[in-house]
Amino acid sequence: QQKVQQSPESLSVPEGGMASLNCTSSDRNFQYFWWYRQHSGEGPKALMSIFSDGDKKEGRFTAHLNKASLHVSLHIRDSQPSDSALYFCAARDSGTYQRFGTGTKLQVVP
Amino acid sequence: GGIITQTPKFLIGQEGQKLTLKCQQNFNHDTMYWYRQDSGKGLRLIYYSITENDLQKGDLSEGYDASREKKSSFSLTVTSAQKNEMAVFLCASSMTGGAWEQYFGPGTRLTVL
Repeated sequence: QQKVQQSPESLSVPEGGMASLNCTSSDRNFQYFWWYRQHSGEGPKALMSIFSDGDKKEGRFTAHLNKASLHVSLHIRDSQPSDSALYFCAARDSGTYQRFGTGTKLQVVP
Repeated sequence: GGIITQTPKFLIGQEGQKLTLKCQQNFNHDTMYWYRQDSGKGLRLIYYSITENDLQKGDLSEGYDASREKKSSFSLTVTSAQKNEMAVFLCASSMTGGAWEQYFGPGTRLTVL
């Protein structure tokens, strides 16, 4: 059973628009959450982490975490063509290892 | 900053062949990982290692062996390549503990004829 589910599977937004990506986990032991971005032909790179309920903003990127509902989201404002990539949510408890989500393919259309 | 190097970049094998992929990191991280990614889809953990000579199975370990010869290197062996198999194998490393991000290499693309 996939412990981390992402939606939508793919997303297309116009340049300058807002992209919203969602992630839901099924394990209440998860304490640490990340968003990773993977451009074509490269390995994923961590975008940002969020460990506490609420919002965390880094430039054009804002992550939101609600542990009670096991939901984390990523919002990208003023989307750029360079933001076109595969985005992964990852979650981890205090032991073991990060569980990666199913991924959302984002396309920003000029 | 550090870097993760994976060799080879492309690997073509025959059905039933034993194939080895290598990974080196200079972050001085204790924990290293091997993932499989099928055609732009999600990452599935094959093996990870929290220190030299340690091996832990992930969700997809059947059909694979791994070896952590030293802190900086982690190898993955496909024990018997499956015909028409195509995937990208990604190596990653991190500091040990829950709050640390993973750093990924560029991947090895496997094709089995």
